[in-house]
Amino acid sequence: ETGVTQTPRHLVMGMTNKKSLKCEQHLGHNAMYWYKQSAKKPLELMFVYSLEERVENNSVPSRFSPECPNSSHLFLHLHTLQPEDSALYLCASSLFDREEYGYTFGSGTRLTVV
Amino acid sequence: AQTVTQSQPEMSVQEAETVTLSCTYDTSENNYYLFWYKQPPSRQMILVIRQEAYKQQNATENRFSVNFQKAAKSFSLKISDSQLGDTAMYFCALISGNTPLVFGKGTRLSVIA
Repeated sequence: ETGVTQTPRHLVMGMTNKKSLKCEQHLGHNAMYWYKQSAKKPLELMFVYSLEERVENNSVPSRFSPECPNSSHLFLHLHTLQPEDSALYLCASSLFDREEYGYTFGSGTRLTVV
Repeated sequence: AQTVTQSQPEMSVQEAETVTLSCTYDTSENNYYLFWYKQPPSRQMILVIRQEAYKQQNATENRFSVNFQKAAKSFSLKISDSQLGDTAMYFCALISGNTPLVFGKGTRLSVIA
């Protein structure tokens, strides 16, 4: 257990469903990230929150909507997803401006869109 | 743009032997940080070792060490005395400037008994 907790661990949803992924950390970090991990592709950065403000959105489709209510919690709201959105979604946290320590990751949510 | 390249999709090594995983990167920044992460079947991305670009000395963490060649933009990981628990995906990653962590495609390492 690294200190970053993601729920649920697995999620199967239909294309018309709405669901949310949750990420929580109590490491005192103040930056949080969503990454998408698909087979045979590098990890893709989706969203960055630094000091609770979104600072990066890498051209992610609007069917993915992040929310960061405080520095300890991060959500990814999902709606009308496509089968190609099936992937492992990883949350990470770090100390802003202390990049030398790298990021701490959760175990991810395995999402399957049917 | 920052890029990280891992040219070995899969590798295998006999238990107790030594294996080296390759990584090259590109960045225009002078100050940056390099990392190796391990992702076992449990899926959790675990930091194995890190290197600060301004430090010439290669980082070492127990059985794990790196060969950092700044001029060549190369950052390889050496695992000594390989153990079955080292079986995992290994990702090389880079942070530079204001750009968040960028990953390579990974190398799947299998340790064979």
